[in-house]
Amino acid sequence: QSVLTQPPSVSAAPGQRVTISCSGSSSNVGYNYVSWYRQVPGTAPKLLVYANNKRPSGIPDRISGSKSGTTATLDITGLQTGDEADYYCATWDSSLNVELFGGGTKLTVL
Amino acid sequence: EEHLVESGGGLVHPGGSLRLSCVASGFDFYIYSMNWVRQAPGKGLEWVSFISGGGGTIYHADSVKGRFTISRDNAKNSLFLQMNSLKDEDTAVYYCARDQSESMDVWGQGTTVTVSS
Repeated sequence: QSVLTQPPSVSAAPGQRVTISCSGSSSNVGYNYVSWYRQVPGTAPKLLVYANNKRPSGIPDRISGSKSGTTATLDITGLQTGDEADYYCATWDSSLNVELFGGGTKLTVL
Repeated sequence: EEHLVESGGGLVHPGGSLRLSCVASGFDFYIYSMNWVRQAPGKGLEWVSFISGGGGTIYHADSVKGRFTISRDNAKNSLFLQMNSLKDEDTAVYYCARDQSESMDVWGQGTTVTVSS
């Protein structure tokens, strides 16, 4: 079981909005930057959000991240079938001195 | 364009050793910290190891501490993972990833390690 807790799955219709939460503690999410990754099965992960809410170049603004206390959230609006993938949050844990990944959330676009 | 290419994966018996390599191109390798991340079949991502740009700071996950060693050769733009005393549960795709602003912004395609008798 991961230290960072994500819902195993979320789903929504094309064009709709979905949020994915990532819950941690004061030594990880509450203290350090959170990043988000998308992974299509069989391919390498791709960075979507870094430093809680910043997007790398090429990531559309319908994808956004936020953080409040010990919970980070990934928001995807205007869902497309191409958004179907597994999504992971990650952050450093300053007590354990390890990088943590959430357990992953499978997004299904109905 | 920035690229990372892993190699060195394969089939190994429990208790055996393997050395993974990751060659970087398209960026100043020595400036960046690097990570190894793995993914067991059907499972999520698991961070394995971190090394700073100069190699002076190293961290390993508890699951591999004492068995795996991360290192780098900046003159050859290369990152390594020496894996000893391999166990069945080390079976995974191993990715190298560049560290940037406390995230991993460039990933390789992965190399597969299978530990089985």
